[in-house]
Amino acid sequence: DAGVIQSPRHEVTEMGQEVTLRCKPISGHDYLFWYRQTMMRGLELLIYFNNNVPIDDSGMPEDRFSAKMPNASFSTLKIQPSEPRDSAVYFCASSLARGRLSFGPGTRLLVL
Amino acid sequence: DAKTTQPPSMDCAEGRAANLPCNHSTISGNEYVYWYRQIHSQGPQYIIHGLKNNETNEMASLIITEDRKSSTLILPHATLRDTAVYYCIVRTNNNDMRFGAGTRLTVKP
Repeated sequence: DAGVIQSPRHEVTEMGQEVTLRCKPISGHDYLFWYRQTMMRGLELLIYFNNNVPIDDSGMPEDRFSAKMPNASFSTLKIQPSEPRDSAVYFCASSLARGRLSFGPGTRLLVL
Repeated sequence: DAKTTQPPSMDCAEGRAANLPCNHSTISGNEYVYWYRQIHSQGPQYIIHGLKNNETNEMASLIITEDRKSSTLILPHATLRDTAVYYCIVRTNNNDMRFGAGTRLTVKP
């Protein structure tokens, strides 16, 4: 099993640009989670999906953030426009039913 | 917000048992307790989980109090590679998994 795959692994962009983070969950997993990690705020749950349907997006910081899951094998987290305070490590995780989470390696985002 | 509280940091001598406490006083009847750890800036790694009974696997043991308001993760023989941030999480009935600040465990030679 390839595990959860995230791309890109690193992203450097300028303030105001659109950023798209991608995630491929483990095949067969029906839950997908997006987290953001910073030194100040720790590991925050942004949104999670069940069978491609968003269940709870209360952690999404503001309207600049959006997440989609068009099919069971792909999800995106988009930031438009990006701001320096969005700099963080973004993790995607998946699980089968309500089992253990498997995390991806993360995307390190730097907004200048 | 996370439903758990943990000490911010702990030290442990190499080879000794590391006992990491967690309070989850508002846990509901069928909510599970999960433990993960994060080494450096890697993605968190699953360790163990439980509902009511004590659990053991190849990595650790989990002791849950009878009233389920607290639990302890035990690493029986800590090594330097166990230095990490350890997170205790209560998984809600709708599978909400929110991480708190965790405990930074430092294993010292």
